[in-house]
Amino acid sequence: SQTIHQWPATLVQPVGSPLSLECTVEGTSNPNLYWYRQAAGRGLQLLFYSVGIGQISSEVPQNLSASRPQDRQFILSSKKLLLSDSGFYLCAWSLDSTGELFFGEGSRLTVL
Amino acid sequence: DAKTTQPPSMDCAEGRAANLPCNHSTISGNEYVYWYRQIHSQGPQYIIHGLKNNETNEMASLIITEDRKSSTLILPHATLRDTAVYYCIVRGMDSSYKLIFGSGTRLLVRP
Repeated sequence: SQTIHQWPATLVQPVGSPLSLECTVEGTSNPNLYWYRQAAGRGLQLLFYSVGIGQISSEVPQNLSASRPQDRQFILSSKKLLLSDSGFYLCAWSLDSTGELFFGEGSRLTVL
Repeated sequence: DAKTTQPPSMDCAEGRAANLPCNHSTISGNEYVYWYRQIHSQGPQYIIHGLKNNETNEMASLIITEDRKSSTLILPHATLRDTAVYYCIVRGMDSSYKLIFGSGTRLLVRP
């Protein structure tokens, strides 16, 4: 069966520090991968999606970047965090055939 | 992708059916209706999706009107664990595979 792993689960970072969140999917090949963010009390915002290795599409201009170095690995990064980067970050995967999204457990980032 | 409109909040009594409406009046012929829910501090969970026929699974039923401009998600016997934010999303199969979440409906199941 397919599983998705996302880490770290929580982190507290100072403003200006770098960020790296990692997501891996097991049990499937060539998934579509997504990064969403949810600010406190707000809805889910799609940040990036990828339909293949090295293929990244950005939905909103921001302080973050994404990379997909391997088929089932998706990384969210920042060189210098801002206070507004705080939030709940969710990685998800899907297969073209169904369109269903399967989400990880999320990473809660607090920037101080 | 077509925009959806949902009431911001609803409530129902435990054991009763919860009927969550969604308007998607600009939906096009190749766009599907998806429903997800998000329990506090967790990732969203897929519930059901459909194109034009009514659908049912172990979690819920999806009723889509004949003109496809609205739909209703039915939880037949709501439990306290069904308290969550429910998202109705319309998406075409050719729209870069992404799902855009709106504000959703916050459902409170009362004991």
